[in-house]
Amino acid sequence: SQQGEEDPQALSIQEGENATMNCSYKTSINNLQWYRQNSGRGLVHLILIRSNEREKHSGRLRVTLDTSKKSSSLLITASRAADTASYFCATNNAGNMLTFGGGTRLMVKP
Amino acid sequence: KAGVTQTPRYLIKTRGQQVTLSCSPISGHRSVSWYQQTPGQGLQFLFEYFSETQRNKGNFPGRFSGRQFSNSRSEMNVSTLELGDSALYLCASSLAGASLIEQFFGPGTRLTVL
Repeated sequence: SQQGEEDPQALSIQEGENATMNCSYKTSINNLQWYRQNSGRGLVHLILIRSNEREKHSGRLRVTLDTSKKSSSLLITASRAADTASYFCATNNAGNMLTFGGGTRLMVKP
Repeated sequence: KAGVTQTPRYLIKTRGQQVTLSCSPISGHRSVSWYQQTPGQGLQFLFEYFSETQRNKGNFPGRFSGRQFSNSRSEMNVSTLELGDSALYLCASSLAGASLIEQFFGPGTRLTVL
């Protein structure tokens, strides 16, 4: 079963715009991670935020975590066509077991 | 440094057969996890191996099994294949078994069961 639900399921924006994806989860976590997947290929790790952190940045990515609401958001600023992919949040509460959300399909139009 | 490799990349089998998938982690990584990805169920955790021992197991039937060798390479086996086993199987490796360590995913093996 999936721990998280992601919203929206699909998002279409123009190049240069910002994209925001949200993730909600159900149980307590050690950390939350975001991954990108291009067209049915492997997952690429984007960013990890620990349960005691509220915000983290990496390049054009900004992730927030609200443990009281059991939710996280991923913001991609100044999006590019190459950002077109599916984005997944994954929660971790034990060892290396990740529980993934359903993903957001992002399309960035040039 | 070479990434996680998975072989084969594509596989076609028929119902009732069995299949073995292989995963070679990044050099020095001791933890290997396996995931199944399907359009209906999404990404689901199968199992994790660390230092040749299965540490965690997901909610899959006993037809799904795995093992890890002393060089950290891992294999997963699916016996008595069913149509619903058609999926992308992904493995991920990490340095250790700690929960704050980044995991690196391979390109996956796409299994089609006819």
